[in-house]
Amino acid sequence: GAVVSQHPSRVICKSGTSVKIECRSLDFQATTMFWYRQFPKQSLMLMATSNEGSKATYEQGVEKDKFLINHASLTLSTLTVTSAHPEDSSFYICSASRGRTDTQYFGPGTRLTVL
Amino acid sequence: QKEVEQNSGPLSVPEGAIASLNCTYSDRGSQSFFWYRQYSGKSPELIMSIYSNGDKEDGRFTAQLNKASQYVSLLIRDSQPSDSATYLCAVYSGGGADGLTFGKGTHLIIQP
Repeated sequence: GAVVSQHPSRVICKSGTSVKIECRSLDFQATTMFWYRQFPKQSLMLMATSNEGSKATYEQGVEKDKFLINHASLTLSTLTVTSAHPEDSSFYICSASRGRTDTQYFGPGTRLTVL
Repeated sequence: QKEVEQNSGPLSVPEGAIASLNCTYSDRGSQSFFWYRQYSGKSPELIMSIYSNGDKEDGRFTAQLNKASQYVSLLIRDSQPSDSATYLCAVYSGGGADGLTFGKGTHLIIQP
């Protein structure tokens, strides 16, 4: 199989605080992990790509200082939303693949609500 | 700008019939094509991947790819109410770009 987990599944925080979301590949080594965001009734939008041991590549319009990504091991990537604001409320989904061009397997997602 | 287009629907199909979902893409150099199913409030799950022209069958699902027409489709045979979901077409274009480009999805409703 190819199982990807995310934690937490749901988080509510106050405006101005930071939130960390973890993405883990449970049964395979993920050279590349991707972070997506999905607003209601919208499609997934790629935020950034992270390769183990190197800096993440951010999509145009995504603030790298606001969305901190760390991919320190082949099974774990983290996304930290710094100084969160209500407009950051969204469904954040990670995916993992064995290689940059390989099939992506998605985690269950994290629903972030910023009050 | 890479684009993936899907009819948003809803597409309503009677139980037991064939559901046909279509997708077009703009980047002629696209290499890999995926269909994901997403239930409301859940993350996408992979249904099929297809890389070369023609048909690829997996159980009740058949993916069809026509690179000349820049068109990929998904057929679901013997549709079941549990197939009701949003189906996302995703395309990988390569060329140094990472990640998939997703269509907005087609909302499929299987009527019992």
